[in-house]
Amino acid sequence: AQSVTQLGSHVSVSEGALVLLRCNYSSSVPPYLFWYVQYPNQGLQLLLKYTSAATLVKGINGFEAEFKKSETSFHLTKPSAHMSDAAEYFCAVSGQAGTALIFGKGTTLSVSS
Amino acid sequence: NAGVTQTPKFRVLKTGQSMTLLCAQDMNHEYMYWYRQDPGMGLRLIHYSVGEGTTAKGEVPDGYNVSRLKKQNFLLGLESAAPSQTSVYFCASSYGEYQETQYFGPGTRLLVL
Repeated sequence: AQSVTQLGSHVSVSEGALVLLRCNYSSSVPPYLFWYVQYPNQGLQLLLKYTSAATLVKGINGFEAEFKKSETSFHLTKPSAHMSDAAEYFCAVSGQAGTALIFGKGTTLSVSS
Repeated sequence: NAGVTQTPKFRVLKTGQSMTLLCAQDMNHEYMYWYRQDPGMGLRLIHYSVGEGTTAKGEVPDGYNVSRLKKQNFLLGLESAAPSQTSVYFCASSYGEYQETQYFGPGTRLLVL
């Protein structure tokens, strides 16, 4: 069985500051890990995904995430926040045939000028 | 190429009424999903389909039914709406199984009075 925990339901940063959104997972099999972003009143879109090819995954809009098996983590980072990054971010895990994605409860990112 | 579309965008129902939400995708994806999104709960899977004519239950299937008569369409039905079904409903599709990216529609806001 898989599960995902996102630490912090709200994160606030200043424009230009580092963005760090935390995600820890639990999986009994090698996981596939995803970060999705949801802008206000829109559906989700993929930011990046880990499929075991490389532990450091680069995504769209300057985001990246690092898979750390020893820490069961897949934290999302961006060196410099932009106002347009304000959104809700979801971490998700899957890994077994016949199962769909398991989503975390989401982290809302606020960016102030 | 419209991607994933959902009809309607917003609906208000009275308790006990029925309705059908329509999801359509033009990417020739085999897999389709229905999720509900509630504040602080993330996305929870209602039902999914792994191909035309097949459906399966997800995490929260009670009170919903689905059908996949055509590959491009996935319908979600509420036979007797309840206030607890007030939510935002998202449809998604993917080319393959758990390791594949899911593509989301814009969502349907449903209010049950």
